[in-house]
Amino acid sequence: DIVMTQSPDSLAVSLGERATINCKSSQSLLSRSNNRNYLAWYQQKPGQPPKFLISWASTRESGVPDRFSGSGSGTDFTLTISSLQAEDVALYYCLQYYGAPLTFGGGTKVEIK
Amino acid sequence: EVQLVESGGGLVQPGGSLRLSCAASGFTFSTYWMNWVRQAPGKGLEWVANIKQDGSDKNYINSVNGRFSISRDNAKNSLYLQMDSLRAEDTAVYYCAGGAGYLIDSWGQGTLVTVSS
Repeated sequence: DIVMTQSPDSLAVSLGERATINCKSSQSLLSRSNNRNYLAWYQQKPGQPPKFLISWASTRESGVPDRFSGSGSGTDFTLTISSLQAEDVALYYCLQYYGAPLTFGGGTKVEIK
Repeated sequence: EVQLVESGGGLVQPGGSLRLSCAASGFTFSTYWMNWVRQAPGKGLEWVANIKQDGSDKNYINSVNGRFSISRDNAKNSLYLQMDSLRAEDTAVYYCAGGAGYLIDSWGQGTLVTVSS
């Protein structure tokens, strides 16, 4: 099974500042056949289901603010919130969908400093 | 608009059974891989199982293999999860989720399963 390790577990960032979340996989998520990384990011607020943000490591879903960006390749990935807004307070999860069983990172809690 | 609505959750004793259902609308259900993902109280997300568009391929996490069975009825736009031999550690909100290939891009609101005596 592919193990997904997220860091940090939590972070507190001032409004308008940058938040960076890391996700590391135990094996490469890059497919040689299509040169795509099978890595997605989700946001979850209390009492709500997860919200899909980013696929293929860096492709933002329609309607997701452009302050959210994803980067990385192979085994190391990053979700960046360029200018933190109050509504961004949430838990964030990465997911590898390279192969079954699908596996999530442990989650990162983002708060306002 | 994609809609996924789960039902069938509730309180069940250890060793008991429960069948979850998910009603899909707003998209062509038969073209999506479908999944069940769970979240124990205060914990992170855990993928449970998925099923191919035509039902010919299914995958499970080890901890539910042999106890849970995923199925679908494309004529009824419905996804199911039969859960047998339930344990306390199966207590969680169960989400129905789907997408193209293994990617999950749509989620239901979830249904709570509580395993307790």
